[in-house]
Amino acid sequence: DIRLTQSPSFLSASVGDRVTITCRASQDVNSYLAWYQQKPGKAPKLLIYAASTLQSGVPSRFSGSESGTDFTLTISNLQPEDFATYYCQQVDSFPRGTFGQGTRLEI
Amino acid sequence: QVQLVQSGAEVKKPGASVKVSCKVSGFTLSELSIHWVRQAPGKGLEWMGGFDPQDDETIVAQKFQDRVTMTEDTSTDTAYMELKSLKYEDSAFYYCAAPETDTWYFDYWGQGTLLTVSS
Repeated sequence: DIRLTQSPSFLSASVGDRVTITCRASQDVNSYLAWYQQKPGKAPKLLIYAASTLQSGVPSRFSGSESGTDFTLTISNLQPEDFATYYCQQVDSFPRGTFGQGTRLEI
Repeated sequence: QVQLVQSGAEVKKPGASVKVSCKVSGFTLSELSIHWVRQAPGKGLEWMGGFDPQDDETIVAQKFQDRVTMTEDTSTDTAYMELKSLKYEDSAFYYCAAPETDTWYFDYWGQGTLLTVSS
């Protein structure tokens, strides 16, 4: 089974900062990777799909990239509403739908 | 505007079963592939299973294969997830989710249903 390992698990930053979250897949997922944002008490929200395509309505300060089996979510110019938990998800191979363990971004 | 509205919180005893519903509006259920994701309190997201339009079948994560049944009622545009033989560690929020297209990227999410397993 494919495993996704996110790093770091916890990240502390300030408004205006640029942060990077990494998701490493245990095998090739052919760019079939998404990033979600989840705020406390809310359902997750799709930010990026196909590794680097921004979901409609998501601010352009969010971006995704990939290098082999390493995927990166970058948030530029952090805003107060960006402090949340972020998850990656692979949809390439069974079990499709697998999530990473999450990265909590706090002020 | 697609909306997924789930049934309310449940409290069940160990060994019992629970059936969570997810009503679709804005689309018909037949136009969506419903998936189920759970999240234990303070923990991460765990995909449980869902409909794969490419294989035209419901796929369930191995961990849940002997305990989960996912069904749909197209007459009421409602999807159901039944979890049997409940354990304390099944206490979690259960979300239904769906992609907008024939992908597995979940554009739409229900509000979540809290299941508490307690004796």
